[in-house]
Amino acid sequence: DTGVSQDPRHKITKRGQNVTFRCDPISEHNRLYWYRQTLGQGPEFLTYFQNEAQLEKSRLLSDRFSAERPKGSFSTLEIQRTEQGDSAMYLCASTETSGRVPDTQYFGPGTRLTVL
Amino acid sequence: QKEVEQDPGPLSVPEGAIVSLNCTYSNSAFQYFMWYRQYSRKGPELLMYTYSSGNKEDGRFTAQVDKSSKYISLFIRDSQPSDSATYLCAMSLSGTYKYIFGTGTRLKVLA
Repeated sequence: DTGVSQDPRHKITKRGQNVTFRCDPISEHNRLYWYRQTLGQGPEFLTYFQNEAQLEKSRLLSDRFSAERPKGSFSTLEIQRTEQGDSAMYLCASTETSGRVPDTQYFGPGTRLTVL
Repeated sequence: QKEVEQDPGPLSVPEGAIVSLNCTYSNSAFQYFMWYRQYSRKGPELLMYTYSSGNKEDGRFTAQVDKSSKYISLFIRDSQPSDSATYLCAMSLSGTYKYIFGTGTRLKVLA
């Protein structure tokens, strides 16, 4: 399978715990995006990387959230001191820089987070 | 007011019907318009995109953009039960790669 993969697919945690999600983009895709999707809503942009550089962050990304892409390949999204309001599907997408606008964003299956 | 508005549905149609899905938006600077399909518990997959105004056709799917009315549509001809999913519109500004999504319309095609 050469699509975007995310791990874990499901995570249940208690309020106050830290969680970390991983995204593996399609090989050689140099842009990587994180979105959050709650029930009945469309995905909301959180942040994106061009290679290892984090170029844009949404105001939704509070200081409890941090994302990294250390070698320009996989990315991690960490949430510290989780709150019940963090319960959502966290989606990762990747694109290649093709010069074609818009670059097609390929989404992974998502990580569903439940905070008890 | 949200930047992108989309009726959440659900929309139920019989198999073979023509389906019309719509989004309105408030930011006249949006240049790129996308339609994604999302099956339950899956990530969104891109169906079509259009740039600026006009129509684009791909098989049973037709996307329309009317920038003067700030209104976009996706038409599905000869709808199939396998088309049952949530359809998300998304838009972006020229020079940015951030997509703004609608809430999605849940479609059910009844056999």
